[in-house]
Order: sequence, then structure tokens, then C-alpha cells
Amino acid sequence: NAGVMQNPRHLVRRRGQEARLRCSPMKGHSHVYWYRQLPEEGLKFMVYLQKENIIDESGMPKERFSAEFPKEGPSILRIQQVVRGDSAAYFCASSPPAGGTLETQYFGPGTRLTVL
Amino acid sequence: DAKTTQPTSMDCAEGRAANLPCNHSTISGNEYVYWYRQIHSQGPQYIIHGLKNNETNEMASLIITEDRKSSTLILPHATLRDTAVYYCIAHDDMRFGAGTRLTVKP
Repeated sequence: NAGVMQNPRHLVRRRGQEARLRCSPMKGHSHVYWYRQLPEEGLKFMVYLQKENIIDESGMPKERFSAEFPKEGPSILRIQQVVRGDSAAYFCASSPPAGGTLETQYFGPGTRLTVL
Repeated sequence: DAKTTQPTSMDCAEGRAANLPCNHSTISGNEYVYWYRQIHSQGPQYIIHGLKNNETNEMASLIITEDRKSSTLILPHATLRDTAVYYCIAHDDMRFGAGTRLTVKP
């Protein structure tokens, strides 16, 4: 059973470009979470999604950031018009269907975004 | 949502037990305590979780006080590969704090 997959592992963008980060959850998992980790800092929750639904986006910046988890295919975290401050590691995690409270999350290896 | 407090850093000698404390004095009755760790630059790794009772698995033991206001993660025989940042989470919405940076020394 493959783990959570993220691609690309490394992404370089120039200021003003768009960044698209993909996350494929573990087989059988229908919940996806995105986190951001700035250098030398802890993980910061961004968004929690189920298939075709955003459950909690309280950690998402109000502008330029969006996330989706379509019925088919991976979850996508999209950052428009990237700025240098967006440079960070972005981690995705998935968990199986649950009763609504915190479930064990399994993390991917992360995508390291560098904005030049 | 309960907030957690952990020491910023700890050292442990290789082969000895590492005891990592976590305070979660505002935890509610149905909130689990979860522990994850993050080895340098890798994705966080699940370790263990519990509600009221002490728990043990192949990685660690979790001791939760009777009043549930604090817990301790125990790595019984720490190895150099256990050097990592350890996160304690005690709420429903997966807010990671700064964690404890554990350094296992030879």
C-alpha cells in the first residue's frame, strides 16, 4: 500500500508565477490536509478537505491560495502570483473516513517551494 | 481546543529512555492526545495516541495523567535515529505547536 505521495518534491518559481502542488492520499483515505512549514518553524495547518468539499480552510491565507480535492485525481494546492514569502515546505496528510474528530494522519514527503 | 505546552529542547543519551512531557491543561473530555515526530526535513510521522488509558506500541509508550492535563511520551531505548522534533497535539483541529527538539547523543 503506497503511502501519501506528493509531487513535485521540489518546485522553483519566479515571483508572480503560479505554483501547483499535488497530493495523492493513501488508498482508501478520503480526507486530505495541507500544512505549511517555514524554515526553522513548526507546521501550520492550512486546509482540510474531503472529496469535493472544503471542510476547514481557516488556516489558508485569504488571497492567492486555493485548494481542491476533486472526485477523481489528486488534491491540488494552488498558489497564484507567488511571492518570496511563500517559500516553504508544504506537507500533505491523509486520513481514512472517520466520525469527524481527529484521526491519525499519514504525511507525505512534502514539496519544497522556492520563489526566486 | 486545548493548547499544548512542550519544552523547546531536550537531550538524551543513546540507549537510555527519553521522556518527553506535554501539558494540555485545557483538554476536553473527548479530545485525544496525539504524538508525531519530524525527522529533519521529512514529513511528520505518527507515533501514538490515547484518550485516557496509557498506551504502548512498537515505537513508544504514552502515559496520560488521571486528570488528563498532561502526558509523557516515552521512548524506552533511544537511538541516534530518534533525534527529531516531537509534537504533542491535544485538540480536534491538528494545530501543531513548536514541539520538542530531542537530540539523542552517543
